[in-house]
Amino acid sequence: GQQLNQSPQSMFIQEGEDVSMNCTSSSIFNTWLWYKQDPGEGPVLLIALYKAGELTSNGRLTAQFGITRKDSFLNISASIPSDVGIYFCAGQLYSGGSNYKLTFGKGTLLTVNP
Amino acid sequence: DGGITQSPKYLFRKEGQNVTLSCEQNLNHDAMYWYRQDPGQGLRLIYYSQIVNDFQKGDIAEGYSVSREKKESFPLTVTSAQKNPTAFYLCAGGPGFRSGANVLTFGAGSRLTVL
Repeated sequence: GQQLNQSPQSMFIQEGEDVSMNCTSSSIFNTWLWYKQDPGEGPVLLIALYKAGELTSNGRLTAQFGITRKDSFLNISASIPSDVGIYFCAGQLYSGGSNYKLTFGKGTLLTVNP
Repeated sequence: DGGITQSPKYLFRKEGQNVTLSCEQNLNHDAMYWYRQDPGQGLRLIYYSQIVNDFQKGDIAEGYSVSREKKESFPLTVTSAQKNPTAFYLCAGGPGFRSGANVLTFGAGSRLTVL
């Protein structure tokens, strides 16, 4: 099956620092999604990417769909304490028909020290 | 508000008991999913359903059962056959196979603890 490697597993940063995390896949995807999960809650969609090379921003967050279609990264600029949580990448390969399942990375746990 | 509603938020169960987790959606999504989350293991797919009265096993279906009698509802039963049921359970909905990109919306989760 498809494998997603997400790194780093965890990060400890100071408030105001920039953060970068990425996901790589053993196979290509058509869609990359980035979610954030606050402690004890469900994941919430941050950014969706639909085309190779696409670069999309959402406030202080920027994500890119890699040219090879096998990777994606998420950057957070000027981190703040509420950025704390687990960040998940997810990929999907669809070609019509019934392939609609997402493959999730194992998450990056972000801790921000005020 | 539109969304995915899971209940209960916290549940305690004795070994040997079955327990059912509720998941309701008002997003008119065709597809619904159940994931299990353990520390450091990400999200693992238990069961999914593309359409009413149909569902498929995911990667870790053993010891679980589901039903999809209504489009809005997708309850998950954790049976006594599940050897290690203590976990955080997440329900999600999405447009499913009718859409090229299946962006999932998650509920707030249910934490099950077996005593």
